[in-house]
Parts: sequence; C-alpha cells; structure tokens
Amino acid sequence: QSALTQPRSVSGSPGQSVTISCTGTSSDVGGYNYVSWYQQYSGKAPKLMIYDVSQRPSGVPDRFSGSKSGNTASLTISGLQAEDEADYYCCSYAGSHTHVFGGGTKLTVL
Amino acid sequence: QVQLVQSGAEVKKPGSSVKVSCKASGGTFSSYVINWVRQAPGQGLEWMGGIIPIFNKPKFAQKFQGRVTITADQSTSTAYMELSSLRSEDTAVYYCARGGDLSYFYGMDVWGQGTTVTVSS
Repeated sequence: QSALTQPRSVSGSPGQSVTISCTGTSSDVGGYNYVSWYQQYSGKAPKLMIYDVSQRPSGVPDRFSGSKSGNTASLTISGLQAEDEADYYCCSYAGSHTHVFGGGTKLTVL
Repeated sequence: QVQLVQSGAEVKKPGSSVKVSCKASGGTFSSYVINWVRQAPGQGLEWMGGIIPIFNKPKFAQKFQGRVTITADQSTSTAYMELSSLRSEDTAVYYCARGGDLSYFYGMDVWGQGTTVTVSS
C-alpha cells in the first residue's frame, strides 16, 4: 500500500483556479470511485471537502470540485481565496477494507 | 450532529504501549466505520485501520498488522486504538474519523480533535 502521489506544492493568485493531482494505481484510485479530498489547516484536524470522486458535502463551497481519469484524481479550486491556503490530501479506497492517503499538497495563495 | 472526542496527550517510553480513546456523541455509532489516522510531525496523513462496531472485526493497513489493536464498546459509543512496541517514529497526532455506514468505501466526514502521542526515553 504505497501512498498516492501528489505534488508537494501548488500556488495561485486570488481569483485564479488551481488543480491538485493525485496519482495512484488500478488497485486504488483507478479501481474504485471512492476518492475523497481533505483540507487541513496547520494544527487542525482535516476537513472533508470531496467524497466519491466529485461529491461535495453540505457546506463546502461549489468552488471546490473533483474528478478522476484512469489512475489519477484531481481537485480543482476555482476563484481562489486567501482562506483556501492550506494542505490538501487525497484518499482512496484501496480494496480489502483499507484506505490509502496521498502525501499532501501545500496550497499557497499568492 | 455527531462529534468525536478523543483522550488527552500521552508521553510514552520506547517499547511501551499507548491506548487512545474516541467517544462519539450526538448520533449513530454502531454502524459507522471508525477509522484511525495518524500524522507524524511535518508529515502527511496515514491510514492505520478501522472498525465497524456492530461487526467488531477491525481492519488494518499492512504496515500496522500485529502492532495495533482496534476495539469498540457499543455501550459507551467509544472506540479505542492501542499501539504497542512504540518507537520514536510513532510520535504523531492520532485521529479518529467517522467513515461510511456499514461500509469502508466512503470518505471520513467527522474527525476527532486529535491525540498527540510522544515517544521518548
């Protein structure tokens, strides 16, 4: 169960869009439509932002969207705001009742 | 609204064990997955394992097989994670997080506040 691969950092200016990729294998991301994304501020617990690849929990702004193609899932944040600056983690169901997380991506709003 | 409240910070010696609790309130406990996720200082999230209390058959990441015990007490709506043979690399914040209803497929929508475990001689 190797960690999913995410870019270590991404950045964008307010109002722009950024996309964070999450690459796995056919045993996790590519094999199931159960990818979730989490936002984490320093010293705080993670918060669910996207589940089932592209579904948003109640209360999450529609600026956040998710998608998947093959073994790679993506989180897109449009209309970047200063408050979006945080760490983002992807997570995939990996079979046999297990999950695997990505290494995390630090988003900087310039 | 479900809340998960974890036990307090722990300082442990190498080779010892630690047991962290996670008490649920405000919602259904027995049928939802309780996942355990840890985060070492400056590092990413790592899924350790989970349990559906009503089934009481915990599942583990391969890395932690044999070293972690996950249990749940339906009468008190509390889940527990015990990690043994502690080493310095186990120093981390340990989170419990609610998963899906009767299924491990889904994401984790409610998180505990985290429990800091420090392993030091």
